[in-house]
Amino acid sequence: GAVVSQHPSWVICKSGTSVKIECRSLDFQATTMFWYRQFPKQSLMLMATSNEGSKATYEQGVEKDKFLINHASLTLSTLTVTSAHPEDSSFYICSARTGRAGGETQYFGPGTRLLVL
Amino acid sequence: GENVEQHPSTLSVQEGDSAVIKCTYSDSASNYFPWYKQELGKRPQLIIDIRSNVGEKKDQRIAVTLNKTAKHFSLHITETQPEDSAVYFCAASNQRDDYKLSFGAGTTVTVRA
Repeated sequence: GAVVSQHPSWVICKSGTSVKIECRSLDFQATTMFWYRQFPKQSLMLMATSNEGSKATYEQGVEKDKFLINHASLTLSTLTVTSAHPEDSSFYICSARTGRAGGETQYFGPGTRLLVL
Repeated sequence: GENVEQHPSTLSVQEGDSAVIKCTYSDSASNYFPWYKQELGKRPQLIIDIRSNVGEKKDQRIAVTLNKTAKHFSLHITETQPEDSAVYFCAASNQRDDYKLSFGAGTTVTVRA
């Protein structure tokens, strides 16, 4: 149980284009999903927290107009990197938690590696 | 916000020896402390977690201890094996902040055969 999928696993795009990444909880309802970014040999940095049906809460320094997050259902959240630039190249990982009592545990997706040329 | 510090950044141990990783946190409201193992290019995988109402938890070769007063928690891996080689992250979270995770910087563990 508690499986989170992410699609695509790999994406290469040209500078200036937009890229959408999907995060799905396959066998549970995720009231809260999180988006992280991880640069090589670094820790995971939280970008935003999204709750189903409401606007995402972005961490300080993360541009909300550049990283659009939509959490339209209890099993799907999307991250769109708009007008991507080479410095946006990174490993993007989502996670989800159930929101039930005792549901502090976050389950991570496999990640999406983005390369912007 | 929460600040989690993790030490050491790298750790090399002989197979069969123990490995210990230590973390400190700053927010006294934090009450959930998971540990994740991440292999290169893969997702972080939860290996053990502890809640603030418990001082110690063990799962086979892995144990975690928590000292709320000192605001630090530690991961102990006994009888290390080559497959334990990975990057380990500690994290802290609390209900007030929707259990969002603040991660430590990570520890690269290498188990020498």
